[in-house]
Amino acid sequence: QPVLTQPPSSSASPGESARLTCTLPSDINVRGYNIYWYQQKPGRPPRYLLYYYSDSDKGRGSGVPSRFSGSTDASANTGILLISGLQSEDEADYYCMITSSNAWVFGGGTKLTVL
Amino acid sequence: QITLKESGPTLVKPTQTLTLTCTFSGFSLSTSGVGVGWIRQPPGKALEWLALIYWDNEKRYSPSLKSRLTITRDTSKNQVVLRMTNMDPVDTATYYCARKMVRGAAFDFWGQGTLVTVSS
Repeated sequence: QPVLTQPPSSSASPGESARLTCTLPSDINVRGYNIYWYQQKPGRPPRYLLYYYSDSDKGRGSGVPSRFSGSTDASANTGILLISGLQSEDEADYYCMITSSNAWVFGGGTKLTVL
Repeated sequence: QITLKESGPTLVKPTQTLTLTCTFSGFSLSTSGVGVGWIRQPPGKALEWLALIYWDNEKRYSPSLKSRLTITRDTSKNQVVLRMTNMDPVDTATYYCARKMVRGAAFDFWGQGTLVTVSS
């Protein structure tokens, strides 16, 4: 099973943008995968945010604001969650996920602090 | 309105078998493309996918836990059951069930989770 690598923590100030990354192992190409993103606040179940495959194949979950968006950096084999116009309520853990060989794989999560 | 709710024991002893039930409403597990999965999260740690059952009764398991897991469904009761054998303290976690959306692999609706502690 592939290991998805996420930085343990990230921080940004209100109103700024946060760029959270999810790096795939070198033996699989980010261009071939839907990258899914979830938000989880303490004591709560995860909330589905969005998926990104390409600029023409992407989507957000129900009720997810447009300031949450996805992209990829093929040169770094990385999926990216961009949160613009940060708000205090965006402080949470964020997880990426892919499916590979009929299995679902989550990243280790990034704790986002809104300073 | 789609809801899912996990139920089962909060405490199990090492070597015992854990049986968890996910009772859902607002969707049908007979709808093409739909699935119900189980995901767990040890305290303070990351999410880990365990198993999933599809609308057509196809099943998928985490490779690392496959030998210990069984997922079944009762369509008439709108329930999905997960069994995990040979429980160990490292299996202490909050166990979630979630719906796999019709198109794509995302889990779009989640239960609140149930904390299972493994201790003698």
